[in-house]
Amino acid sequence: NAGVTQTPKFRVLKTGQSMTLLCAQDMNHEYMYWYRQDPGMGLRLIHYSVGEGTTAKGEVPDGYNVSRLKKQNFLLGLESAAPSQTSVYFCASSMEEAGANVLTFGAGSRLTVL
Amino acid sequence: KNQVEQSPQSLIILEGKNCTLQCNYTVSPFSNLRWYKQDTGRGPVSLTIMTFSENTKSNGRYTATLDADTKQSSLHITASQLSDSASYICVVSGMIKAAGNKLTFGGGTRVLVKP
Repeated sequence: NAGVTQTPKFRVLKTGQSMTLLCAQDMNHEYMYWYRQDPGMGLRLIHYSVGEGTTAKGEVPDGYNVSRLKKQNFLLGLESAAPSQTSVYFCASSMEEAGANVLTFGAGSRLTVL
Repeated sequence: KNQVEQSPQSLIILEGKNCTLQCNYTVSPFSNLRWYKQDTGRGPVSLTIMTFSENTKSNGRYTATLDADTKQSSLHITASQLSDSASYICVVSGMIKAAGNKLTFGGGTRVLVKP
């Protein structure tokens, strides 16, 4: 059982480039989330999805877009990368709403924007 | 604003010793509190989850306590092992969403266990 898988694990971008992070889960979870983790700070929610075909903004959505065309996949896109988006990105999923359920996290994707 | 503060930021302990990590929060109204363990280069993994009515919960050598009146929690690691070297994150769930989010994450305590 793979759980939550993120690709790629590492990526270096130049300012202004675009890229997509892929998150896949095989637990049939309804809810999926994208977080970013910066040194000394708690994880912050970027976007989330409560089911296939739905997306919603979290705390820090600016500069990111997401899509959930299939229940098992949740994509995070950066249209024009900025150095402030250098971070480690974590995807997570849960069967029900995160407030009541434990999240299952992926291993993270480290992004550096030069 | 909901906040979760963890202390210390980091600590070093010798293998076999015990340690206690602290978590103070301002989240209100409160739903539950979780402790996660995050190994270097990995995603967080759940250790415990406690609701308002629970004041102690154990998972092997990890014991979490909760005082909902003072809004404090602690995570006690007994007889530490080298594999306990990780960051420990306190996460508090409120009952009200803020920007679609009920969870407030602490910044973590980094624990290093030395032989």
